[in-house]
Amino acid sequence: AIQMTQSPSSLSASVGDRVTITCRASQGITNNLGWYQQKPGKAPQLLIYAASSLQSGVPSRFSGSGSDTDFTLTISSLQPEDFATYYCLQDYNYPWTFGQGTKVEIK
Amino acid sequence: QVQLVQSGAEVKKPGSSVKVSCKASGGTLSSYATNWVRQAPGQGLEWMGGIIPMFGTANYAQKFQGRVTITADESATTVYMELSSLRSEDTAVYYCARSPILLGPSNEPYYYYGMDVWGQGTTVTVSS
Repeated sequence: AIQMTQSPSSLSASVGDRVTITCRASQGITNNLGWYQQKPGKAPQLLIYAASSLQSGVPSRFSGSGSDTDFTLTISSLQPEDFATYYCLQDYNYPWTFGQGTKVEIK
Repeated sequence: QVQLVQSGAEVKKPGSSVKVSCKASGGTLSSYATNWVRQAPGQGLEWMGGIIPMFGTANYAQKFQGRVTITADESATTVYMELSSLRSEDTAVYYCARSPILLGPSNEPYYYYGMDVWGQGTTVTVSS
């Protein structure tokens, strides 16, 4: 199975900060990668699919980049509602696998 | 807009089975991949398996092979996930989630567009 290594596992940031989260695949996955946001007690929400495509309704401060094995989620200016846990997911081949998650906390 | 509505919370004894349903309100799941993802208390997300009803076959994570079965009803409006031989470590919230698919030239799944619609989650508690 493809392993997804996400970093950091947690970070503290302030409103207005630029935040970057990375995900590395154990083998090439072309651009078959999505990013998800999860708030406590809620189902995850799709932010980015196909590595860099913004899901409908998601604010443009979220962006994704990368291909093959290295991927990045960037929040250009962190807002209060963005404090949450973020996960990457590869859907290149079965079994699909998630990264371990990155918890974004308020500094 | 399609919504996924899951069945209610379950409390099960170790060694028993649980079957969770995921019903599409306002559409069908026939040409989508419907996946099951679970989250144990305080832990991350774990993909368990998925099915594309129009093809009928399911794929499972190795960890759950032999214990999990994912099926769809004939109308493809409801997908089920059954987990057997339950143990305390299976206590978790179980989510279903839909993935749009791009079909290839031979009508095979070629590309997935992320899990764009999620159910509300079903809490399964395994306790003696």
